[in-house]
Amino acid sequence: DAGVIQSPRHEVTEMGQEVTLRCKPISGHDYLFWYRQTMMRGLELLIYFNNNVPIDDSGMPEDRFSAKMPNASFSTLKIQPSEPRDSAVYFCASSFWGTEKLFFGSGTQLSVL
Amino acid sequence: KQEVTQIPAALSVPEGENLVLNCSFTDSAIYNLQWFRQDPGKGLTSLLLIQSSQREQTSGRLNASLDKSSGRSTLYIAASQPGDSATYLCGQNAGNMLTFGGGTRLMVKP
Repeated sequence: DAGVIQSPRHEVTEMGQEVTLRCKPISGHDYLFWYRQTMMRGLELLIYFNNNVPIDDSGMPEDRFSAKMPNASFSTLKIQPSEPRDSAVYFCASSFWGTEKLFFGSGTQLSVL
Repeated sequence: KQEVTQIPAALSVPEGENLVLNCSFTDSAIYNLQWFRQDPGKGLTSLLLIQSSQREQTSGRLNASLDKSSGRSTLYIAASQPGDSATYLCGQNAGNMLTFGGGTRLMVKP
């Protein structure tokens, strides 16, 4: 298996633009998580899905953030409009049953200028 | 609210030393605890997972322990090598999702 695949690896955009981050989980995994990592706040959970259904989005910072999982092999995290304080590394991770080992993608480094 | 704390935040040791990284958590409702390694610019790689019913797990030179009553886990690295240099994070699973500590940045000097 290729592991969790995220795209793009790097994204540089200007304030106010829409940003879409993409994730393909490991085949057969039924849980998908979006995390954000910054120096100040560490690794924070934004939202997670179980069988494509959003279960807990309490970590989503504002209405500017939205996430979807239209099928078992694809998820997106969208920020509209983006702001400089959204600059961070965004990780997607997946697991089986939600209580087992968590597998992370390589992350998307987002810079909002 | 779950809180996970890792001490120390940074550690520098000479090659060959045995070392212990600490992780403490506040939520007693724990399903498992996972230790991860993160290299600069990379994602997290799972090292060890300890179920709540277990007391320790071993993989090669790594040994992780779990004490639920005290809310602590330790990661023991034997005979450290320069290749062990990375950030080590622990994550507590108390209900289908992991809450992470801030990590310990380890440098092993040749």
